[in-house]
Amino acid sequence: QVQLQESGPGLVKPSQTLSLTCTVSGGSISSGSYYWSWIRQPAGKGLEWIGRIHTSGSTNYNPSLKSRVTISVDTSKNQFSLKVNSVTAADTAFYYCARTMAAVGLTIDCWGQGTLVTVSS
Amino acid sequence: DIQMTQSPSSLSASVGDRVTITCRASQSISSYVSWYQQKPGKAPKLLIYAASSLQSGVPSRFSGSGSGTDFTLTISPLQPEDFATYYCQQTYSTPGTFGQGTKVEIK
Repeated sequence: QVQLQESGPGLVKPSQTLSLTCTVSGGSISSGSYYWSWIRQPAGKGLEWIGRIHTSGSTNYNPSLKSRVTISVDTSKNQFSLKVNSVTAADTAFYYCARTMAAVGLTIDCWGQGTLVTVSS
Repeated sequence: DIQMTQSPSSLSASVGDRVTITCRASQSISSYVSWYQQKPGKAPKLLIYAASSLQSGVPSRFSGSGSGTDFTLTISPLQPEDFATYYCQQTYSTPGTFGQGTKVEIK
């Protein structure tokens, strides 16, 4: 049973960089059958797809965030990471890491529990 | 980006009812839709993928249908544990946009 767990600072100052890591346990991140994704959700609001990465190095980002977002993978640690530059209060949200089924488009079949990141001085 | 318009935004229903939630895509997406259930304080959970395929472990009272631009999630009969918020997602192309959500509340 694959499990995902987000980690990182819960508070980030405006204009700084938000950095989160997702640790995958119970399975190898190097499985070619999956992409590894980030989704966020402001409190009480809907879901926003941020982007995804395959261990081949292929990435896709939401155009609305593309200029500020980087997703990377470290197969040796079975982890993948998210960086969002130049954050503002609008980036305050629950951030979820997730596994995406490569064979079924962008379907997410496994989610982390989520971590709240607040952007505030 | 492909827009997903979900309706209604909320509904009240009783245990045992049949509940239908719809999602309309801004362009044809074949059968590339997934449905998720989210309970307060929890991550979303996959219910349906490829418009009508039931995810392993999900009760058969959940079903999905549709293709092209119009999709439906049906819950029948509604159970107490089904009161939650439901989201559709187009899985046709990046970014994988979600509908606005439908909150299913107890009548």
